[in-house]
Amino acid sequence: GAGVSQTPSNKVTEKGKYVELRCDPISGHTALYWYRQSLGQGPEFLIYFQGTGAADDSGLPNDRFFAVRPEGSVSTLKIQRTERGDSAVYLCASSLRGTGGAGGYTFGSGTRLTVV
Amino acid sequence: DAKTTQPNSMESNEEEPVHLPCNHSTISGTDYIHWYRQLPSQGPEYVIHGLTSNVNNRMASLAIAEDRKSSTLILHRATLRDAAVYYCILRDGRLSSGDKLTFGTGTRLAVRP
Repeated sequence: GAGVSQTPSNKVTEKGKYVELRCDPISGHTALYWYRQSLGQGPEFLIYFQGTGAADDSGLPNDRFFAVRPEGSVSTLKIQRTERGDSAVYLCASSLRGTGGAGGYTFGSGTRLTVV
Repeated sequence: DAKTTQPNSMESNEEEPVHLPCNHSTISGTDYIHWYRQLPSQGPEYVIHGLTSNVNNRMASLAIAEDRKSSTLILHRATLRDAAVYYCILRDGRLSSGDKLTFGTGTRLAVRP
C-alpha cells in the first residue's frame, strides 16, 4: 500500500483481557518501529525490528508487552492482561532500512487503545 | 541521548512566515537534526532533517546555527493546515547507536485565519 496501515483504528477492551494490534508497513521497508503516545505527550519508543528480528526492545515497559514480525513485513504488538494505564495511541512506523541519522520514518495513524 | 528544548506553543497568522526554534546545546558531532510534525488524530509526519548545512524542501527550510547548538524550522507561508505539534529530534548517525527517535513534547503551533 501507499502508507503504513494500522488496524484496528480503535480498540476498547476490558481490564485483564488480551489484545493484538496490527501494523502493515510500506512494502519493501525493512525497518519497523512501535511507539506509544499518551495524551499531551510525544510518542515513546517501544521496539524496533530490522527484518524479522527485534533489534532493540528496550522500550517495552514490562513482560506483558510483546511484538513479532515473523516474515519481515506485518508486525503484531501483543498486550497481555491489559491494565487501564495501557490506554494510549499505539503508533507504528517503517523506514527503508535502519539508516542511522539520515532519512525519515513513515508513521501510521495509530490504534487508539482504551482499557475500561 | 542529547536533548532538545522547544517552546510549548506558538501562534502565527495565516500566510505569514513561521520560525520554530529548537535548542540542542549538548548536540554531538554525529547527531542529525530531524523535524517531525503531528496533525490532530494522525501519526507524526517527517518534515526535514540536516546535519550541518541549511536544508530546503517543499515543506519547509531548516536553518542550523554555525555551532549547531540551535536550529530553526521555517514555514515560509503558514496555512491553517500547518496547525500541528512540531517536534525537533536529535538522531545519532552512527549505526551502532540504534535507530530510534526520542520525542519530546514539541511546540504546538496555532495558525490564525
